[in-house]
Amino acid sequence: AQSVTQPDIHITVSEGASLELRCNYSYGATPYLFWYVQSPGQGLQLLLKYFSGDTLVQGIKGFEAEFKRSQSSFNLRKPSVHWSDAAEYFCAVGAGSSSASKIIFGSGTRLSIRP
Amino acid sequence: DTGVSQDPRHKITKRGQNVTFRCDPISEHNRLYWYRQTLGQGPEFLTYFQNEAQLEKSRLLSDRFSAERPKGSFSTLEIQRTEQGDSAMYLCASTGDGNTIYFGEGSWLTVV
Repeated sequence: AQSVTQPDIHITVSEGASLELRCNYSYGATPYLFWYVQSPGQGLQLLLKYFSGDTLVQGIKGFEAEFKRSQSSFNLRKPSVHWSDAAEYFCAVGAGSSSASKIIFGSGTRLSIRP
Repeated sequence: DTGVSQDPRHKITKRGQNVTFRCDPISEHNRLYWYRQTLGQGPEFLTYFQNEAQLEKSRLLSDRFSAERPKGSFSTLEIQRTEQGDSAMYLCASTGDGNTIYFGEGSWLTVV
């Protein structure tokens, strides 16, 4: 069965520092991969997605992610974080025969920013 | 494009009561999803519709839960005989092109 693991429950970084959030997935075929961000009490906003092609994907708000098939990973990165980046981040994998099938989420990584 | 709209945003109900949540997807999006999210967890898939057809239901969706999308536009999620364990945020999402799934702001349910 498809699954997503986000090994870091909570990460704190200093404002201006670089960020990497880890994500590992389990899926038999080529996965559809997503990163979503959620502010407290809010819905989820799509940061970026990978379906095929270039394994380095650019997203909104200066985020990028790299798909590494050999490591079953899809880590999210940002070169310099801003205080407004503090939120919960969810990695997700598309499960099913098409990209519009249900997506399975990881348990999330809470990002805190140190002033 | 007004986004995915959910109503109500917050609901407090007594245990044993029935509650209904409504979701209005983005116009002309043919696929609609329901997810449940508890504190500190990622969203869990409940069910999804292709137009008016309910194509998949999670085992999380017990007999007390029912979802409908009668005309292939808005959807309702009803919970009967609510229990405290039903307290969660219920998220609705929709997609038209199959590549990007847009989420609503969620409906918070507190069962007291």
